Amino acid sequence: AQSVTQLGSHVSVSEGALVLLRCNYSSSVPPYLFWYVQYPNQGLQLLLKYTTGATLVKGINGFEAEFKKSETSFHLTKPSAHMSDAAEYFCAVSEGGSQGNLIFGKGTKLSVKP
Amino acid sequence: DGGITQSPKYLFRKEGQNVTLSCEQNLNHDAMYWYRQDPGQGLRLIYYSQIVNDFQKGDIAEGYSVSREKKESFPLTVTSAQKNPTAFYLCASSILLSGEQFFGPGTRLTVL
Repeated sequence: AQSVTQLGSHVSVSEGALVLLRCNYSSSVPPYLFWYVQYPNQGLQLLLKYTTGATLVKGINGFEAEFKKSETSFHLTKPSAHMSDAAEYFCAVSEGGSQGNLIFGKGTKLSVKP
Repeated sequence: DGGITQSPKYLFRKEGQNVTLSCEQNLNHDAMYWYRQDPGQGLRLIYYSQIVNDFQKGDIAEGYSVSREKKESFPLTVTSAQKNPTAFYLCASSILLSGEQFFGPGTRLTVL
């Protein structure tokens, strides 16, 4: 069965510092991978996705992620944190590539200190 | 504007009562989903539907029921059999075989 592990339920960075949120997955087939962001009491918004092709994926709000098959990872990064980045971030993998449902990690809450 | 609407945003229920959460989408998506979110638990799939008049149980379907009579609507009923229904409920939809899901704003259910 597929699974997603997000290392660190809480991450705190200073404004302007690098943001790194870690995601590892397990999948027996080529995965589709997603990062979503959630602000308090709101739904999830797609940040970026990897399906096929280029392994470095750029998303909205300056975020990017790199698919590393050998490490089964899809870590999310942003060079310089902004106060508005404070939110909860979810990594997800699609069962069977495009065929199936999403399996979500438990989320990482990002705090940004002024 | 195309999107997914959920109503109400906040819902309070007395123990022993059934309650129905609404989810409507105008994106012309075939697939719709219901998730439950608890702090530190991520999102857990309750039910999903890929076509009108058909739906499948997810990982935590016990105590919940759904219907899919129209393509754009996928209401969720939380029954009295659900022992711990207080949670944030999210509805989503997707184009079949795309993987990517679009989410509504959520309904927060509290049992008094």
